[in-house]
Amino acid sequence: AQSVSQHNHHVILSEAASLELGCNYSYGGTVNLFWYVQYPGQHLQLLLKYFSGDPLVKGIKGFEAEFIKSKFSFNLRKPSVQWSDTAEYFCAVSTNAGNMLTFGGGTRLMVKP
Amino acid sequence: DAGVIQSPRHEVTEMGQEVTLRCKPISGHNSLFWYRQTMMRGLELLIYFNNNVPIDDSGMPEDRFSAKMPNASFSTLKIQPSEPRDSAVYFCASSVGGAGYGYTFGSGTRLTVV
Repeated sequence: AQSVSQHNHHVILSEAASLELGCNYSYGGTVNLFWYVQYPGQHLQLLLKYFSGDPLVKGIKGFEAEFIKSKFSFNLRKPSVQWSDTAEYFCAVSTNAGNMLTFGGGTRLMVKP
Repeated sequence: DAGVIQSPRHEVTEMGQEVTLRCKPISGHNSLFWYRQTMMRGLELLIYFNNNVPIDDSGMPEDRFSAKMPNASFSTLKIQPSEPRDSAVYFCASSVGGAGYGYTFGSGTRLTVV
């Protein structure tokens, strides 16, 4: 079964700092990759997703992620964070063989104004 | 599209009482998932249905938990009897064509058992 690791559990940044959140998965076959965001007190919302093609994926609110197959990684980036980006971020993976998403443990981001 | 609709948004109940959480998936979505989220354990998959049939319930913590999906537009998660350790936010999510397209989550039900 596949697994997803998010090594940074808590990240604290100042506004305008650059962000990179790590995500690694373990599965040798074809994968679909996702990043979800959960703002305080809200539900998970899709930020971006990768199915195939260009490994650099752009999502909403200035976020992007890069799929590096050789590293089994799908890191989330944003050049300049805002206070409103304070949230928990979840990486998730699905495989063509399954009907489920496997979520990472989440990374809590706090952006200081 | 109204999205995935869950009810109630908040539920406070006494230990030992029965609790029923409800979910209406997005029309046309054929997979439905129930998750539980707590600070200690994070996001846990409890059960998922495909075409109204339970596929994997290995995440259901105990026999006190049960879930049904009598038709394509409605699912329930029942806890009987409830215990304080069941306090959590319960999310329902739905998807079409398998997880490859991602899930759409509902707003969740915050359950407090006192």
